[in-house]
Amino acid sequence: GENVEQHPSTLSVQEGDSAVIKCTYSDSASNYFPWYKQELGKRPQLIIDIRSNVGEKKDQRIAVTLNKTAKHFSLHITETQPEDSAVYFCAASIDSGGYQKVTFGTGTKLQVIP
Amino acid sequence: DAGVIQSPRHEVTEMGQEVTLRCKPISGHNSLFWYRQTMMRGLELLIYFNNNVPIDDSGMPEDRFSAKMPNASFSTLKIQPSEPRDSAVYFCASRWTDTQYFGPGTRLTVL
Repeated sequence: GENVEQHPSTLSVQEGDSAVIKCTYSDSASNYFPWYKQELGKRPQLIIDIRSNVGEKKDQRIAVTLNKTAKHFSLHITETQPEDSAVYFCAASIDSGGYQKVTFGTGTKLQVIP
Repeated sequence: DAGVIQSPRHEVTEMGQEVTLRCKPISGHNSLFWYRQTMMRGLELLIYFNNNVPIDDSGMPEDRFSAKMPNASFSTLKIQPSEPRDSAVYFCASRWTDTQYFGPGTRLTVL
């Protein structure tokens, strides 16, 4: 089955700096890669996603890049703010004919220091 | 839309008791997922339904766990008998196209 590895497990950055979280996946059939943000005591919420036919996607201060050949994808947060502090999960999904199997990474706890 | 609804939000029970967690997916969504989240094991997929039919239950830890989806607007996850190691936050999520939308979760504590 799919295996998703996520690094680092914890990340501290100064407010205004950039943060990068990296994930690798094992199954080349994976074709959808969402990123979720989970604040303490709350539910995971989608912040950005990318499909296997796209190399990069950006939404304001958040961007995701995908390298299909190397089977890795990354989340980039620029100009970090204290409210970005949370746990971030990457995921790899095989989405075919209505069937979706999602495998999550182990999470990265991001702390933005004011 | 109220989003995915889960009940109860918190459950404290004693070892050996039956526990039933409930989920109402977002109206119109045709897929439903049950996850378990713990510090040690992270976010684990337990079971996945598509059009009310269980598609993949390979994540269900053992026979003590069972899940049903009798109709498009309701699903249950049952644990019987419960054990202390079942203590976790259980999330239900639903989807229509790509994105899964998570419910608020049920925090289960088994004493």
